[in-house]
Parts: sequence; structure tokens; C-alpha cells
Amino acid sequence: DQQVKQNSPSLSVQEGRISILNCDYTNSMFDYFLWYKKYPAEGPTFLISISSIKDKNEDGRFTVFLNKSAKHLSLHIVPSQPGDSAVYFCAASTSGTYKYIFGTGTRLKVLA
Amino acid sequence: DAGVTQSPTHLIKTRGQQVTLRCSPISGHKSVSWYQQVLGQGPQFIFQYYEKEERGRGNFPDRFSARQFPNYSSELNVNALLLGDSALYLCASSLFAGGLDETQYFGPGTRLLVL
Repeated sequence: DQQVKQNSPSLSVQEGRISILNCDYTNSMFDYFLWYKKYPAEGPTFLISISSIKDKNEDGRFTVFLNKSAKHLSLHIVPSQPGDSAVYFCAASTSGTYKYIFGTGTRLKVLA
Repeated sequence: DAGVTQSPTHLIKTRGQQVTLRCSPISGHKSVSWYQQVLGQGPQFIFQYYEKEERGRGNFPDRFSARQFPNYSSELNVNALLLGDSALYLCASSLFAGGLDETQYFGPGTRLLVL
């Protein structure tokens, strides 16, 4: 049972435009959500996170939105840069537990 | 400060062999988690250790085991290797285990190929 889903395996965006990556979850006990970026042959790099008590968190060009009623989160990258080309994973966890549940990833390609 | 380090970076083994992977967490972090990532999938949780005790185990067979040392470094052992164990093995460290809004930071991984 896939509790965290990223339904778009890939996304192409022109440089300078907005990239929107989506993630859906099924477990209502999740209360902490994260986005990681992964380049080939490297481990995932932490990007941004959001607690379930918030609906938005910003860090520079990156903004994560959380819609708890829809069990949906999204990552916005504005403006997109070629260096943002990577695989993006969303992850979810429940406080007091010990593991993250990851989605299958979305490959973002930013075209120059 | 150094991030999470893992060794070796790459490893080739044959079926039936045993392998040990090593991880050093970020300085000050007391918890280490292990994940397996196969091609095309997200990381799958294997173990978490905190203060040398196992805090959680994922849905992996008993061939997988781990331990954490007094300096908080950790080893993951896999016995009787199968072809399906070929994957990227990721170690992540965090300050505590399962705390509120706790972020795990990942190492570069060990790429294991089983022939």
C-alpha cells in the first residue's frame, strides 16, 4: 500500500518559469512532510519541510504548500534554474515514530 | 562540519555472500536510520537506531541486521545476499529519534551490486 504518491514521474519546465511538483498521501496520522532533491550517484539532499500545523513554508525560491483536507502537498520552485534538474522525493512521517515514508519521485528537467 | 559519511561507496558481491556497510552520522546526532533504494523507487526504511538501541525495523527479512556503536556510528549487515538486494543503501542521521518535526539528513549512499 503506497501511502505517499507522486503521480508524475517526470516534469519539464523552461528556465525562469515555475515548477510545481505534487505529492498525495493517504495516512491522516502524518504530521511532518519533507521534500528532498536527489542527483544521480548522490544521496537525497534535504530541501524544505512543513509541519501539519502550517499550510505554507517558504525558503528562498522554494515554497511548500500543505492541504490537509485533500491530503496533498506541493513544492513550488520559482524561478526554475537548470541546476534544479534532479529527482525530487516527498516524504512523510508521524511524530514519535521512527521512519519516513517516501514517494517514488518526480524527475524535474529545467530547460535552458 | 562534515555531513553523513558512508563507506564503501561501491561494492560488488556474489549471491550468498555477506556484506557490511558503514555510516558515521553528523556530529552531535544520536540517531541513525538505514534505507534501501532500488532503481525507480523511493527509499524504503530498514532500521533506526538511537542511543545504540533499535527503535524501529521496516519490512525486511532477518538477513538484514544493524548495530550502533558508542560513538553513534552504525553498521548494516546483510547475510546470504540475493540478486534483489542490489540497491543504493542510504544512511540518515538525526538529532533524536521520532521527535517532533525531526529532519533526517542523508549520506551519499553505498551502491551494492549482487551478481
